Amino acid sequence: DAGVIQSPRHEVTEMGQEVTLRCKPISGHDYLFWYRQTMMRGLELLIYFNNNVPIDDSGMPEDRFSAKMPNASFSTLKIQPSEPRDSAVYFCASGDRPEKLFFGSGTQLSVL
Amino acid sequence: DAKTTQPNSMESNEEEPVHLPCNHSTISGTDYIHWYRQLPSQGPEYVIHGLTSNVNNRMASLAIAEDRKSSTLILHRATLRDAAVYYCILRRYGGSQGNLIFGKGTKLSVKP
Repeated sequence: DAGVIQSPRHEVTEMGQEVTLRCKPISGHDYLFWYRQTMMRGLELLIYFNNNVPIDDSGMPEDRFSAKMPNASFSTLKIQPSEPRDSAVYFCASGDRPEKLFFGSGTQLSVL
Repeated sequence: DAKTTQPNSMESNEEEPVHLPCNHSTISGTDYIHWYRQLPSQGPEYVIHGLTSNVNNRMASLAIAEDRKSSTLILHRATLRDAAVYYCILRRYGGSQGNLIFGKGTKLSVKP
């Protein structure tokens, strides 16, 4: 199994541009989580899905952030427009139960 | 979610046991205790979880106090690869409360 696959690994963009982060969960996992990590705030939960349905998006910072899961094998996290304070490492994680998650390698986002 | 308290950092010598403490005095009866770790430049990795009884797996052991107000993650023989940030997390069982909320964790250094 290839594990949770995130793309791109690194993204550098300019303020105001749209950014789309992608995640392919492990096959058969019903839960998918998006986290972001910064030095100041640590690991923050943004949103999670169960069976492709968003269950809790209370961690999404503001309307500039949106996440979708159109099918069981793909999810996106979109930031539009991006701002420098969005710079962080964004992690996707999946699990067949929410207590045991498998994390991807993350996307390092830099917004200039 | 109930809060956990961990030391900011700990040091260990290679091939010696390591005991990582976690206090969770406000734990409720349905809170599971989870441990994850994050190696440098990687996503978090599941280590172990338990409810009341001590738990063992190939990575570590989890010792839970009788009153459940504290727990200890035990690495039986530390290796250099075990240098990471270790997170102790409480997660309430049941319903849609699938969130794993990460704190600051304990940064473990392993000396050769």
